[in-house]
This record gives sequence, C-alpha cells and structure tokens, in this order.
Amino acid sequence: SQTIHQWPATLVQPVGSPLSLECTVEGTSNPNLYWYRQAAGRGLQLLFYSVGIGQISSEVPQNLSASRPQDRQFILSSKKLLLSDSGFYLCASPAGGRYGYTFGSGTRLTVV
Amino acid sequence: RKEVEQDPGPFNVPEGATVAFNCTYSNSASQSFFWYRQDCRKEPKLLMSVYSSGNEDGRFTAQLNRASQYISLLIRDSKLSDSATYLCVVNTPSASKIIFGSGTRLSIRP
Repeated sequence: SQTIHQWPATLVQPVGSPLSLECTVEGTSNPNLYWYRQAAGRGLQLLFYSVGIGQISSEVPQNLSASRPQDRQFILSSKKLLLSDSGFYLCASPAGGRYGYTFGSGTRLTVV
Repeated sequence: RKEVEQDPGPFNVPEGATVAFNCTYSNSASQSFFWYRQDCRKEPKLLMSVYSSGNEDGRFTAQLNRASQYISLLIRDSKLSDSATYLCVVNTPSASKIIFGSGTRLSIRP
C-alpha cells in the first residue's frame, strides 16, 4: 500500500527565512502529487500539483514554489517566508479508485 | 462560484441523533467523490467513497446526485467519537486535480 512521508512535523521559522518541506511517497510509481495548505480553522487549499518529474502546476499565486526532482519526491519551498505562510501543509497522492487519496501526516508551520 | 461548497457548520447535535451534510460541486466533468474525516490538528482520513447508486457503511450513508451536482453524507445514531470536521472531495481527472470542500464541523454532545 502507498505511504506518504512528510517532515518535519512542526516548524517555527522567522519572517524572511527560507523554507523547504519534503514529501516522499512509497509503494507506488509515477504518482500524481499535491501540496495543500490549511490555515487555522479553514479548509484545504490546493497549492501545487504534479503529474510527473519536473511538471508543476500552480493553483494560486503566492510566495511559495514547488519542485519534483524525482518520481516520488515533491518539495515545497520559499525564499522568504511571510506571516501569512503559516499553516498546516499536507502532501497527498491518489491511492487508486475507491481508496481516494493518501495524505502525509503534515507539517505545521508557524512563521513568527 | 467555488468549485466545491459545503455548509461550514458547526452542527451541534445530541448523541444518537441523525445528521446530514450536503456538498455541491460546479464541474459537471467531475468523476469521483469522497467523504473525508479530519480530527483536530490531524491529516484528513478517508471515510468513504461515494458511488452513483449510493452506498452505506454501518451508520454512514453517502449519496450522489449528478443531475443536481451534489453529494450527501448521512450519519445515523451519532456517537461522541463522530465529532470531527467532514470534508467532501471531488476529483476531476480532466483537470488532474482534486478539490476539497472547506469542511463541515460536527460536534456531538452527550
């Protein structure tokens, strides 16, 4: 079965610092991968999705970027964090058919 | 118009009650639908898929109405442990993306 690993679990970063969050997938090959952000008390906002190595689609203009250097690796980055980048970041991938989507356990980012 | 819309709630119901949530979607090309449950500060977990003919899993029943473009979730005999946020999810393969509703908060009181 498919497993998604995300790290770190929590992160506190100062405004203006860089960010790199990593997501890796096991148990599948060439998956579609998604980055979501969830602000406190809000729903999941799709940030980026990727259908393959080097292929990134951005859903909303923002301070973040994504890269897919390997088939099962998806990275979310920022050169300079803003306070508004705080949130719960989730990586997801389709689990196949009626099994919906698998999520990583998320990274809770607080920008101070 | 949002691609997927849910009533945010909160729904506050007594234990044992029946509660129903709806979720509407805007893209008629959407093909697969799911309900997820999210506990506080945790990642969403799949509750159930939604099939065209409707499907049931214990106390939970999901329905899809393609003509009106909505899905529903019915929870019978609610338990305290059902307290969570329920997210509807819509997959549109032609757009290669999955969209989550903003979630409906459910609180079950003793």
